[in-house]
Amino acid sequence: SAVISQKPSRDICQRGTSLTIQCQVDSQVTMMFWYRQQPGQSLTLIATANQGSEATYESGFVIDKFPISRPNLTFSTLTVSNMSPEDSSIYLCSVEGTSGTEETQYFGPGTRLLVL
Amino acid sequence: GENVEQHPSTLSVQEGDSAVIKCTYSDSASNYFPWYKQELGKGPQLIIDIRSNVGEKKDQRIAVTLNKTAKHFSLHITETQPEDSAVYFCAARPSYDKVIFGPGTSLSVIP
Repeated sequence: SAVISQKPSRDICQRGTSLTIQCQVDSQVTMMFWYRQQPGQSLTLIATANQGSEATYESGFVIDKFPISRPNLTFSTLTVSNMSPEDSSIYLCSVEGTSGTEETQYFGPGTRLLVL
Repeated sequence: GENVEQHPSTLSVQEGDSAVIKCTYSDSASNYFPWYKQELGKGPQLIIDIRSNVGEKKDQRIAVTLNKTAKHFSLHITETQPEDSAVYFCAARPSYDKVIFGPGTSLSVIP
């Protein structure tokens, strides 16, 4: 399985500002994913980021609000722009990896964001 | 699109008892079903998975069963321990690049 780190681990931000979350993987991966987990809720996919191409956003998420960069096969960033209290969530980076013979998703520790 | 339901939402068991969490999915194209455990303050951790051509898989105290005809799958934890307390998510993969998660089950193991 891949080892995934995220920075920052948590932050408290003022509304109207932006925060960039970094995700670093210890091996080269083709597909990286960004999820949002609102308090007490399940995981919702924001977008899929492949190196060398534009991120693919899920319904309800737009590039202007959540711009993503994927400069190489081990790194990605997610920016939460013009934040409001409704953006308070855990943001999780995930990568495709191999479990036995099966491709599956592994998660980073998450970034806990509180917007005041 | 795929929809994954999960029951119960909360579950309390005595230490040493078994715990069962059940999930259903809607998209017959889903062919892979992972289970994740999320402890407080951590990211989800893959604990077991099953592919659609297999009916059951075991790993020590954890087992998963799949009924593809009925579109449901279950997680079984035997001899539960306090460290099993966490939120568990089932998931289904309808396509190679998409995993849909259930709403989660909060499991409490009472010493």
